[in-house]
Amino acid sequence: DTAVSQTPKYLVTQMGNDKSIKCEQNLGHDTMYWYKQDSKKFLKIMFSYNNKELIINETVPNRFSPKSPDKAHLNLHINSLELGDSAVYFCASSQENRGVGLKTGELFFGEGSRLTVL
Amino acid sequence: GESVGLHLPTLSVQEGDNSIINCAYSNSASDYFIWYKQESGKGPQFIIDIRSNMDKRQGQRVTVLLNKTVKHLSLQIAATQPGDSAVYFCAETLDTGRRALTFGSGTRLQVQP
Repeated sequence: DTAVSQTPKYLVTQMGNDKSIKCEQNLGHDTMYWYKQDSKKFLKIMFSYNNKELIINETVPNRFSPKSPDKAHLNLHINSLELGDSAVYFCASSQENRGVGLKTGELFFGEGSRLTVL
Repeated sequence: GESVGLHLPTLSVQEGDNSIINCAYSNSASDYFIWYKQESGKGPQFIIDIRSNMDKRQGQRVTVLLNKTVKHLSLQIAATQPGDSAVYFCAETLDTGRRALTFGSGTRLQVQP
């Protein structure tokens, strides 16, 4: 049973379109993330949610809007897609709050969603 | 800005040899470090971590060394196997408050049979 699952795995679309990527984790974690990996394999944090609360919002264009309906789901909606949005988007989760001084930084990643904007 | 970086973009080793992947970080405040392995078409997978109060930690066939003086991190893989071929990332963060991991640019490890 997949721990962190993302859909779709591949997404090819035209510039200017709006698209969404969905993520679900069944690990019972309280924190979820979106990372973007470019063609040079560089991984960069985009957003982080803890118990449905946005806690990290890096310098990402407003066209990107994350939504967390519950702590097991974190979706990413992208408006007016641009060529530069082509990348692999990874969802991840972690358990941040294990008690004082017992945090762990281990992230569990999904398989990634490869977005190609034409 | 401050970042995490790697010395070698590609490392090629013979099967059975030991591999050493290096990472330099510039944020002296970082106190928690993780190595991740990413196989082709998959997401990064946790290998081993180390906190700043340690200078060495061992796992199964892997050892992470931390030198805070020169802000250097390394991953040693013993008896490298073909299945070890992947891109390896070091990541760093502050172990206080809410934070996300900052990843380095990655090193590709190629294991020659």
